[in-house]
Amino acid sequence: KAGVTQTPRYLIKTRGQQVTLSCSPISGHRSVSWYQQTPGQGLQFLFEYFSETQRNKGNFPGRFSGRQFSNSRSEMNVSTLELGDSALYLCASSVDRRGGETQYFGPGTRLLVL
Amino acid sequence: TQLLEQSPQFLSIQEGENLTVYCNSSSVFSSLQWYRQEPGEGPVLLVTVVTGGEVKKLKRLTFQFGDARKDSSLHITAAQTGDTGLYLCAGARNYGQNFVFGPGTRLSVLP
Repeated sequence: KAGVTQTPRYLIKTRGQQVTLSCSPISGHRSVSWYQQTPGQGLQFLFEYFSETQRNKGNFPGRFSGRQFSNSRSEMNVSTLELGDSALYLCASSVDRRGGETQYFGPGTRLLVL
Repeated sequence: TQLLEQSPQFLSIQEGENLTVYCNSSSVFSSLQWYRQEPGEGPVLLVTVVTGGEVKKLKRLTFQFGDARKDSSLHITAAQTGDTGLYLCAGARNYGQNFVFGPGTRLSVLP
């Protein structure tokens, strides 16, 4: 079974630009969660999607948004990028996270904002 | 202030040594997970503990959940270079809620 894939793996943007990151979950998984990982703040929850609906949201500004498609693939978008948005963005999929199922993480997209 | 604290922040040991890392909180968790993350990869789940006092073993790794479900420890026996990585604990305060992650312990096992 293929694991969680994320594209692109690396990205360099400048302040003010926007970026879209993609996550393909494991086949059969309907829940996709996004996290931001930085050296200073660690791993922080952004949001979770289940069956195309945002089910939970972390404490991030509205510049961070996401969506999920009918095939469970998910995208997250960050608008008006700031230097502090430089981070490793991880997505994780599970059959149904609320059911206590194990989350499987992708390798992440490393975003550098200049 | 972090909901979950991990100690030590960094640990460098020789192959063959034993070590223990800790995950502490003032909050009670319904479940707690431990992950290992290697450079360039996402975290990989090692174990989930849900019962106070629970002890789980995974080969050379022993995980314990505190009686009050506020803390946990991970003990590695005879560390190997392959154990090198960032060890993260994550806790959920109620079933089905999001897991909150600690800052991690970065372990380096030298040959």
